[in-house]
Amino acid sequence: DIQMTQSPSSLSASVGDRIIITCRSSQRISTYLNWYQQNPGKAPKLLIYAASSLQSGVPSRFSGSGSGTDFTLTITSLQAEDFATYICQQTYSTPYTFGQGTKLEIK
Amino acid sequence: QVQLVESGGGVVQPGRSLRLSCAVSGFTFSSYGMHWVRQSPGKGLEWVAVISYDGSNKHYRDSVKGRFTISRDNSKNTLYLQMNTLRPEDTAVYYCAKEGAYYDTLTGGLEYYFEYWGQGALVTVSS
Repeated sequence: DIQMTQSPSSLSASVGDRIIITCRSSQRISTYLNWYQQNPGKAPKLLIYAASSLQSGVPSRFSGSGSGTDFTLTITSLQAEDFATYICQQTYSTPYTFGQGTKLEIK
Repeated sequence: QVQLVESGGGVVQPGRSLRLSCAVSGFTFSSYGMHWVRQSPGKGLEWVAVISYDGSNKHYRDSVKGRFTISRDNSKNTLYLQMNTLRPEDTAVYYCAKEGAYYDTLTGGLEYYFEYWGQGALVTVSS
């Protein structure tokens, strides 16, 4: 199975900040990498697919990059509604696997 | 708008069975692959199974192979997960998800993602 490792596991930031979350895969996955946002008690919501494509309706302050084994999710100008958990996922091969999540908290 | 609504969750004893359903609306169900994903309390997401748009292809994670069966009824716009011989470690919120696909012109491959998710159904396996 492909292992997905996110860093950091948690992050404190303020409204207006720019943050970067990293996701690393245990083997090369080209750009078969997606990012989701999850709020407590809710289902995940797709933000970014194919490493860098912004899902329709998602604000442009979210962006993704990377290829191979190293990927990043960047959020510029944090808004109050962005404080949530962010999760990466590989769909290069089954079993599709997820990162452990990065919890973004208000400083 | 797109809606996915899971049902059938509950409390069940180890070794027993349960069937989850996922009723969908707002898109052409018969044109898309569908997935089940689970999340144990306080833990991460775990992909469970996928079924192709016509039901002809299915894949499972190793820990549920031979115990769980994914199926679909395109005439009813409904996805199913039959779970047999349940174990305490199967305790989780189970989500159904609609597959999306992006065609990568550089590689010629289809990159899949989980475009829409249901609200989840809690399955608790306990004696």
